[in-house]
Amino acid sequence: GEQVEQRPPHLSVREGDSAVITCTYTDPNSYYFFWYKQEPGASLQLLMKVFSSTEINEGQGFTVLLNKKDKRLSLNLTAAHPGDSAAYFCAVRRYGGSGNKLIFGTGTLLSVKP
Amino acid sequence: GALVYQYPRRTICKSGTSMRMECQAVGFQATSVAWYRQSPQKTFELIALSTVNSAIKYEQNFTQEKFPISHPNLSFSSMTVLNAYLEDRGLYLCGATDSNSGNTLYFGEGSRLIVV
Repeated sequence: GEQVEQRPPHLSVREGDSAVITCTYTDPNSYYFFWYKQEPGASLQLLMKVFSSTEINEGQGFTVLLNKKDKRLSLNLTAAHPGDSAAYFCAVRRYGGSGNKLIFGTGTLLSVKP
Repeated sequence: GALVYQYPRRTICKSGTSMRMECQAVGFQATSVAWYRQSPQKTFELIALSTVNSAIKYEQNFTQEKFPISHPNLSFSSMTVLNAYLEDRGLYLCGATDSNSGNTLYFGEGSRLIVV
C-alpha cells in the first residue's frame, strides 16, 4: 500500500528563518494532498489541500510545492515565528478508491525560537 | 461551515475496561467517517473507514471485535475501544467527509484515552 515518508522528524529554526518539510509518497495514483498542523494537545488543523493538477500553492506565510514526477510534496514556511511551533503532518489520498482513506506522513516537530 | 464535534475530549480508564467516543457532524452530511489513532510520539493510523449503508472497512491490525463502530446516519458515528490496555492509549480522531466536497476530511478535536 501507499507509504508516506516525511522529513525531517524534528526541525529547529530561529524566528524569521525559513523552514522546509518534505514528504515523499509511493502511490502514483495519489491525487489529493494535505498539510495539517497539530499544536500541543490539540487536534489537526487543515493548512492547505492540494490537487494533483496544481504544483504551487500559496497560503498565509507558507508555500506548498508538489513535484509529481519525483512524488514529493513540500511545505515551505517563510519567515517562521514562534506561533508556528507545532507538529506538521502531510497526508495523501488516491483518486477514487476506497472513500476517504488518508495516509499520513510520519510528522515533523517544528520548534521556532525567538 | 462544516464542523465536527467529538466527545469526550479526554478519558482515563482502568486497564481492561472500555471507552466509547462519539463524533457529530454539523452543517454537512457525513457520508464517510474515518477513525484514526495517534499513539504517543507517532503519526495517525487509520483504524477503519465507515460509509453509510456500506460495510465498515477495518485496516490491518484493527478489528471490529476490538473497535466496534456505529454509523447510523449522516451526522453521527461512534467507536468503542473494548478492553483497553496500555497500548491503546493515544488520541483518537474522527474525520468526516462532506458529500458535496468529497475529498476533504473535517476532523474533530479528538478523544484522548489514558489507560491506568
